[in-house]
Amino acid sequence: SQQGEEDPQALSIQEGENATMNCSYKTSINNLQWYRQNSGRGLVHLILIRSNEREKHSGRLRVTLDTSKKSSSLLITASRAADTASYFCATVTGNQFYFGTGTSLTVIP
Amino acid sequence: NAGVMQNPRHLVRRRGQEARLRCSPMKGHSHVYWYRQLPEEGLKFMVYLQKENIIDESGMPKERFSAEFPKEGPSILRIQQVVRGDSAAYFCASSSTWTGESNQPQHFGDGTRLSIL
Repeated sequence: SQQGEEDPQALSIQEGENATMNCSYKTSINNLQWYRQNSGRGLVHLILIRSNEREKHSGRLRVTLDTSKKSSSLLITASRAADTASYFCATVTGNQFYFGTGTSLTVIP
Repeated sequence: NAGVMQNPRHLVRRRGQEARLRCSPMKGHSHVYWYRQLPEEGLKFMVYLQKENIIDESGMPKERFSAEFPKEGPSILRIQQVVRGDSAAYFCASSSTWTGESNQPQHFGDGTRLSIL
């Protein structure tokens, strides 16, 4: 299966700490995207990193991509209670978008 | 609100009935994608449509499920003769171009939660 897998499945941290979650995938990709999903809502796009990029920043988000290891990481710095959500990585192969199983992040105030 | 609109938000059906889920893409978007999400799981691709055409339906069960995106009006995901296993959240997303090549994100609606009694 092309589907990515996030690690860890669940993460609980104190407000102000950094949160790191990882994503692994199986085949070659054009790009890798990270999405956030709040409970009961749809997914919200966070950041996209292209296959020829190694690192990208957006506000408190930092994404890395290692195509040789077929893995990506999402770092959220200075976490806030509002960051509590599930985070998914997504890759594209052919016509299909493949989402990972997600990391459930809880930020404790 | 120019976002992706899905309705209804919640839909309850009895086994054997039909379920119709609607999705209006963002203004200017002609690419629509449907996904299914079971509790505590990620999204599973079902079908990718472009105006009046099905581009890829390989993720959709061959029986009872169908999707359309007519020239006018919303995209419809139709499930006939529903069974308990169809209970899930169904999400629709849209984009202005195919996201795989254009490096554009998909924009999601808030989903329809389908419950089968």
